[in-house]
Amino acid sequence: LAKTTQPISMDSYEGQEVNITCSHNNIATNDYITWYQQFPSQGPRFIIQGYKTKVTNEVASLFIPADRKSSTLSLPRVSLSDTAVYYCLVGASKIIFGSGTRLSIRP
Amino acid sequence: DAGVIQSPRHEVTEMGQEVTLRCKPISGHDYLFWYRQTMMRGLELLIYFNNNVPIDDSGMPEDRFSAKMPNASFSTLKIQPSEPRDSAVYFCASSWTGSTLRNTEAFFGQGTRLTVV
Repeated sequence: LAKTTQPISMDSYEGQEVNITCSHNNIATNDYITWYQQFPSQGPRFIIQGYKTKVTNEVASLFIPADRKSSTLSLPRVSLSDTAVYYCLVGASKIIFGSGTRLSIRP
Repeated sequence: DAGVIQSPRHEVTEMGQEVTLRCKPISGHDYLFWYRQTMMRGLELLIYFNNNVPIDDSGMPEDRFSAKMPNASFSTLKIQPSEPRDSAVYFCASSWTGSTLRNTEAFFGQGTRLTVV
């Protein structure tokens, strides 16, 4: 299974755009890239999934370059409530979480 | 649908006792996952099922842990005998692959916080 590497932590301010990059050099042809968000004392929550190029939903955008060896989760105009741990996963059926990125948003 | 339902929400037990955690997945989902989360080890996949059949249990820490899925609407994770190092939050999740043959979105339960004293 492809291993992912992402920053341990990031800080930002309310109203800013936040980009979290994940590297997955060994991604397989049939792997998809999925991001989850986890708040304290809750289970992870799906944010977005993509295979290539760009995917956008009401919460975030996911940018995937042509070689698919990395991906970037973009959160537009973050608020305090976006403070959470964000996980990048690659795979098809087996869902394995890495260490995640602890995002802290300040007023 | 009420989402993935786990019970109990909290469990405190003494070392050596048997613990059974329960999970009701979302109706129609064909994958079920059990995870354990601790500060030290993060979110670990213990085992997952596809159509009630265990596919990969390589994450189960040792023989004290066992999981079953007797039907599409129920799964259990059992620890016997329990030890203090088993203290963690245990999450159950379910997902549906449909024709895509991949998990598009896993839905997690609220978790069971287990404390073994």
